[in-house]
Amino acid sequence: GESVGLHLPTLSVQEGDNSIINCAYSNSASDYFIWYKQESGKGPQFIIDIRSNMDKRQGQRVTVLLNKTVKHLSLQIAATQPGDSAVYFCAENPPGGTSYGKLTFGQGTILTVHP
Amino acid sequence: GAGVSQTPSNKVTEKGKYVELRCDPISGHTALYWYRQSLGQGPEFLIYFQGTGAADDSGLPNDRFFAVRPEGSVSTLKIQRTERGDSAVYLCASSRQGTGELFFGEGSRLTVL
Repeated sequence: GESVGLHLPTLSVQEGDNSIINCAYSNSASDYFIWYKQESGKGPQFIIDIRSNMDKRQGQRVTVLLNKTVKHLSLQIAATQPGDSAVYFCAENPPGGTSYGKLTFGQGTILTVHP
Repeated sequence: GAGVSQTPSNKVTEKGKYVELRCDPISGHTALYWYRQSLGQGPEFLIYFQGTGAADDSGLPNDRFFAVRPEGSVSTLKIQRTERGDSAVYLCASSRQGTGELFFGEGSRLTVL
């Protein structure tokens, strides 16, 4: 079946560096994508979303890029801080779904930020 | 509290037993979701409620799993005849209607021995 996946399972950066987390999706009909952050022992926390009619969206210190040609999604975190250490999931809203909240999550990337 | 509340936070049970997991969503959120997360994996969709009705239960793995939301607020996920493979963290989330911004609780960790 179609799924959302991540290229890299782990990413280690120094505090202050920029981080880039990548995600590949296989359903070309998907039109809505979200990034979530999950800290140990907690539920996922919404970071940013993007619709397929956009190729870039910026938030506070984060930017999501969508390349529909190659079905690729990325999350850029500027000036990464130790508090950014967590597992990051991309998620896809399958086409024809009943709700924007019915999501298919990828496996996750572990981001570790060293002081 | 202002967030999604789930109880119990941890539940250990024996194979074959019945389990109930409770979710109290954010006040005013009409949409409620249950997801299941196994170790090292992303959350998997189970069921979605809009108000009191289950709008989409396509993620429930089999008929041992059932969920209710009788008054459109608190929801209970019920698992009958638990199996070891049911061990996971069960996450509840709520949202305002028409958005994919889900607010997750901290989850109920279920361990079936």
